[in-house]
Amino acid sequence: AQSVTQPDIHITVSEGASLELRCNYSYGATPYLFWYVQSPGQGLQLLLKYFSGDTLVQGIKGFEAEFKRSQSSFNLRKPSVHWSDAAEYFCAVGADSGTYKYIFGTGTRLKVLA
Amino acid sequence: DVKVTQSSRYLVKRTGEKVFLECVQDMDHENMFWYRQDPGLGLRLIYFSYDVKMKEKGDIPEGYSVSREKKERFSLILESASTNQTSMYLCASSHRGTGDETQYFGPGTRLLVL
Repeated sequence: AQSVTQPDIHITVSEGASLELRCNYSYGATPYLFWYVQSPGQGLQLLLKYFSGDTLVQGIKGFEAEFKRSQSSFNLRKPSVHWSDAAEYFCAVGADSGTYKYIFGTGTRLKVLA
Repeated sequence: DVKVTQSSRYLVKRTGEKVFLECVQDMDHENMFWYRQDPGLGLRLIYFSYDVKMKEKGDIPEGYSVSREKKERFSLILESASTNQTSMYLCASSHRGTGDETQYFGPGTRLLVL
């Protein structure tokens, strides 16, 4: 069965430090992969997505993610974190071609220290 | 820009009440989704619809029903609300068959059942 794992429930970084959020997936075919961000009390905003092609994907707000098929990973990175990046981040994989359903990870909550 | 709106940001209901959550999208998307979000569990799919009057059960449909009479509107119904349905409810929509399966989310409805 398809699954998505975000191994880190909480991450704390200092403002200006680099960030990497981990995402591992289990999926039989080439997956569609997504990262979303959720600010407190808000809905989910799409940061970036991977469908095919270049495995390094650029997104909004200075984020990028790299698809590594051999490691079944799609880790999210940012070279310098800003206090406004404090939020919850969700990785998702598009499941079951034709049904357009996603499977979401359980999320990583990011805290940024001033 | 894609816009997904939900009828209420916050709702307080009593056990046994019938509850309607409304979702409207303005991008002519074929697919619409209802998720429930709980801490530590990520997003779980309740129901989705791929066309008017069509619906499919998600992972946790028990205690919920849905209605899609118009393409732009997807309603989630709690027939008899219970305290274990206290949660954040998120609606999403996406195109069907275009090769871009990106889901766009509304701001969420936080429901408290007393």
